[in-house]
Amino acid sequence: SYELTQPPSVSVSPGQTASITCSGDKLGFKYVCWYQQKPGQSPVLVIYQNTKRPSGIPERFSGSNFVNTATLTISGTQAIDEADYYCQAWDSSTGVFGTGTKVTVL
Amino acid sequence: QVQLQESGPGLVRPSQTLSLTCTVSGDSISSGRYYWSWIRQPAGKGLEWIGRFYTSGDTNYNPSLKSRVTISVDTSKNQFSLKLSSVTAADTAVYYCTKGGGYGDSDYWGQGALVTVSS
Repeated sequence: SYELTQPPSVSVSPGQTASITCSGDKLGFKYVCWYQQKPGQSPVLVIYQNTKRPSGIPERFSGSNFVNTATLTISGTQAIDEADYYCQAWDSSTGVFGTGTKVTVL
Repeated sequence: QVQLQESGPGLVRPSQTLSLTCTVSGDSISSGRYYWSWIRQPAGKGLEWIGRFYTSGDTNYNPSLKSRVTISVDTSKNQFSLKLSSVTAADTAVYYCTKGGGYGDSDYWGQGALVTVSS
């Protein structure tokens, strides 16, 4: 089965840039989306179609997807960005989520 | 504004069938423009995709759950449902229903329904 691997945790200082990777075989050929989930809340879509931001998502969130790795970048990270982040892609009409990354803003 | 609301029993006995319904408002399931999905999350763990349907009749399930899962739709009530048979404690999770955004993403999520499998 297809797997997407993320680092368990990423730490970032306020105002700095956080980069969260999502690795999978030939991932660059697939559309990747990213979700933010805060404790006790439902996930929120922050990036879709590799690079696009839904309405209402701040510009500091951006995405890329090349070869085997997709990356979610949070520029000028704020305390409110502290959350779990999950990537998602599709393989043979099956949805696959990444293992999840906890972003801590120190 | 699209809204989704999960409903169903919060406690299911082992070996029984888990049944949840998602009621959609603000959009029509029968419009046929999007996928509608079920996703779950055990406490303290990551997200797991369960399955999705398209009102054209196209349905896809997670291979690891496929033998136990059925997703159905009631367009007259603008609802879709999840049935998961032969449940065990490993099926204890928060279950979310979602609306597809058109590129494989889920752009709207329900608040989630906690289902506990226990005797």
